[in-house]
Amino acid sequence: KAGVTQTPRYLIKTRGQQVTLSCSPISGHRSVSWYQQTPGQGLQFLFEYFSETQRNKGNFPGRFSGRQFSNSRSEMNVSTLELGDSALYLCASSLSGGFEKLFFGSGTQLSVL
Amino acid sequence: DAKTTQPPSMDCAEGRAANLPCNHSTISGNEYVYWYRQIHSQGPQYIIHGLKNNETNEMASLIITEDRKSSTLILPHATLRDTAVYYCIVRVARNRDDKIIFGKGTRLHILP
Repeated sequence: KAGVTQTPRYLIKTRGQQVTLSCSPISGHRSVSWYQQTPGQGLQFLFEYFSETQRNKGNFPGRFSGRQFSNSRSEMNVSTLELGDSALYLCASSLSGGFEKLFFGSGTQLSVL
Repeated sequence: DAKTTQPPSMDCAEGRAANLPCNHSTISGNEYVYWYRQIHSQGPQYIIHGLKNNETNEMASLIITEDRKSSTLILPHATLRDTAVYYCIVRVARNRDDKIIFGKGTRLHILP
């Protein structure tokens, strides 16, 4: 069974640009959640989608958004990038959502210059 | 919000049991405790979770105190492959808002 796939693996952007990250969950998993990991703040929850609906949201500004498609694949978008958005962005999938037994991808390393 | 406190690092000899403590003194009655670990440059890996009873699976055991203010993750026979950062996490579900709060984690070094 294929694991959680995130693309791209690495990304370099400049301030003010926007970026879209992609996540393909494990087949059959309907929940996808997103996380930001930085050396200073550690791992922080961004949001969770289940059956194309955002179900939960962390404390991030509106520049961070996401969506989920009917095949459960998910995208995360960050607009008007800031230097502080440089981070490893991880997505995780689970069968039923609610953070039960999350399976994480390897992440997308975003660098904002 | 409930939060977790863990020692920043610990050492354990290979073959011995690794006991990783976590304090979650502000946890509420319906909030689960989860443990994940992250090996360098990989995504976190689920280990175990519990509410109030002790739990055991093929990877580890989770001991939760009766007052639920703290817990201990036990890796019964640590190997070099268990070297990782271990996160104790509280799932907070209040007022129809469900989110997961990560602590800073414990960096576990397994010594040969």
